[in-house]
Amino acid sequence: KNEVEQSPQNLTAQEGEFITINCSYSVGISALHWLQQHPGGGIVSLFMLSSGKKKHGRLIATINIQEKHSSLHITASHPRDSAVYICADKNTGNQFYFGTGTSLTVIP
Amino acid sequence: DAGVTQSPTHLIKTRGQQVTLRCSPKSGHDTVSWYQQALGQGPQFIFQYYEEEERQRGNFPDRFSGHQFPNYSSELNVNALLLGDSALYLCASSAHRGGSYEQFFGPGTRLTVL
Repeated sequence: KNEVEQSPQNLTAQEGEFITINCSYSVGISALHWLQQHPGGGIVSLFMLSSGKKKHGRLIATINIQEKHSSLHITASHPRDSAVYICADKNTGNQFYFGTGTSLTVIP
Repeated sequence: DAGVTQSPTHLIKTRGQQVTLRCSPKSGHDTVSWYQQALGQGPQFIFQYYEEEERQRGNFPDRFSGHQFPNYSSELNVNALLLGDSALYLCASSAHRGGSYEQFFGPGTRLTVL
């Protein structure tokens, strides 16, 4: 069974702080997704990566395949970054397994 | 490009009823996956459709069924609704051709079973 664990479950930060959310998975994967979900339910795909590092604006995602670990970093956090961040891994069977998410609140 | 669209946005049903949810994939995508997200939980995989066939299925009972049409749109049907079926149902599309598999999510349908 593939298990995806995220930490922390909840995170409160001051505006401008550097934020890190961690994700660990138990089974070898072909790709890992980082998703953002705002209140109301809409999910936005932030990154899909299978190795190394990707950067988009203030967001950076890294993955270590050997350690089965990925991190999502947010630099210069802003209140509009407040959302639930979910990591999901895709096994070779093209099925995604989701973590329970990290709820981020950025305070002005 | 309209992205992934789902209908309806919200739905209220009573126990024992049947419901049909609809999803139109992003332009150029041929694969549709359905997920159930209970309050406070991460999405759970229900099933995936490609070439009008169910290709993979998660741990959901046969009350959950689906269909994919030639235009790649998809329906999720749930029979004999239970209170526990109340959740946000998310549809995601991806392009099987090209092997990218990056999924794009729709806004979801919030189902409440009373």
